[in-house]
Amino acid sequence: AQSVAQPEDQVNVAEGNPLTVKCTYSVSGNPYLFWYVQYPNRGLQFLLKYITGDNLVKGSYGFEAEFNKSQTSFHLKKPSALVSDSALYFCGSSGSARQLTFGSGTQLTVLP
Amino acid sequence: SQTIHQWPATLVQPVGSPLSLECTVEGTSNPNLYWYRQAAGRGLQLLFYSVGIGQISSEVPQNLSASRPQDRQFILSSKKLLLSDSGFYLCAWSLGLAASYEQYFGPGTRLTVT
Repeated sequence: AQSVAQPEDQVNVAEGNPLTVKCTYSVSGNPYLFWYVQYPNRGLQFLLKYITGDNLVKGSYGFEAEFNKSQTSFHLKKPSALVSDSALYFCGSSGSARQLTFGSGTQLTVLP
Repeated sequence: SQTIHQWPATLVQPVGSPLSLECTVEGTSNPNLYWYRQAAGRGLQLLFYSVGIGQISSEVPQNLSASRPQDRQFILSSKKLLLSDSGFYLCAWSLGLAASYEQYFGPGTRLTVT
């Protein structure tokens, strides 16, 4: 079975500061990990994914994520947060079941 | 480029009434298609997925059904809605079922059952 945990329901950060949204996973076999963003009343938008290779993955809108196998984590990061980054963020994983399993989501609020 | 459409955008239906939500994808062939439900603005629950015309897999037993009458059309239905069917319904597509493929989501349908 595979699962994804987002331990923080809410993350607040000041504009211009770095942001981190946490994600840990439990996947049998090689993990494939994803980050999505959802704005109010909209569908999810794909940000980035880790399949293999470099542990630091770069994605859309200046976001990046670091895969850490020993800590089974895939945290989403951005060096300098924008107010427009405020949204709901979902971490997802897929493994041998080939189905995308999502975490419970983290609401990011960037304060001006 | 690929585009995914969902309609209607919002829907208010009484308990016991039927439901039909439609999803279509443009710009790709033989996509894998998915229906999710998002309750209370948070967790996403996979309801159905389809790898081809007429091929539907159900992830959870419920009051809903899905059909895929054409390659790029995916329909979510119910004969009699329950209050618990309220939520935000999202359709998604991917190039394949391989674990490495990301999914692309439609704009969603907000369903309120009264």
